[in-house]
Amino acid sequence: ETGVTQTPRHLVMGMTNKKSLKCEQHLGHNAMYWYKQSAKKPLELMFVYNFKEQTENNSVPSRFSPECPNSSHLFLHLHTLQPEDSALYLCACRASGGGEQYFGPGTRLTVT
Amino acid sequence: GENVEQHPSTLSVQEGDSAVIKCTYSDSASNYFPWYKQELGKGPQLIIDIRSNVGEKKDQRIAVTLNKTAKHFSLHITETQPEDSAVYFCAASINSGGYQKVTFGTGTKLQVIP
Repeated sequence: ETGVTQTPRHLVMGMTNKKSLKCEQHLGHNAMYWYKQSAKKPLELMFVYNFKEQTENNSVPSRFSPECPNSSHLFLHLHTLQPEDSALYLCACRASGGGEQYFGPGTRLTVT
Repeated sequence: GENVEQHPSTLSVQEGDSAVIKCTYSDSASNYFPWYKQELGKGPQLIIDIRSNVGEKKDQRIAVTLNKTAKHFSLHITETQPEDSAVYFCAASINSGGYQKVTFGTGTKLQVIP
């Protein structure tokens, strides 16, 4: 248990659906991250929130929309996804002073 | 931007043998190098890290070395055990806009054969 939870753990959605991924951290950290993990590729940074403000959008398509209502919660809203968006989506958090990132278990997303 | 290369992509060792995973990075400004272990169905977890002002760090059976001049760093696992089987990721981290931006390698799948 890393102190970072993600729901749902598995999600299957059609290309026209709208769904949301949720991340919650219980560590009191101020930086939160969304990563995409695809087979045989490095973890791809998608978004970074620092003190609830988005500080990085790594050229992510607009069909992915992040939301950070407070420093403990992070959402990723999904709409009109493509099959190539199927991947493991990982949330992470980090203390403001830097150092280790704490990852959640991920949401395995399949787009049909 | 930073580019991290990791080798090998897969590694099989006999239980009790040593395993070595190597990474290179491109940005000399990177100053923090964590290693993560990812087991099936779980997110990556930090196993050891090293900062740029240190050349070597050891924690029981795990050690990491850093050569800043050559821009490469390595993970060494001694006396491997079956529970060491997992995917290992190296990363290089740099300060960017007030927060640390982390670039990961492509991962090494380690299999320890009993």
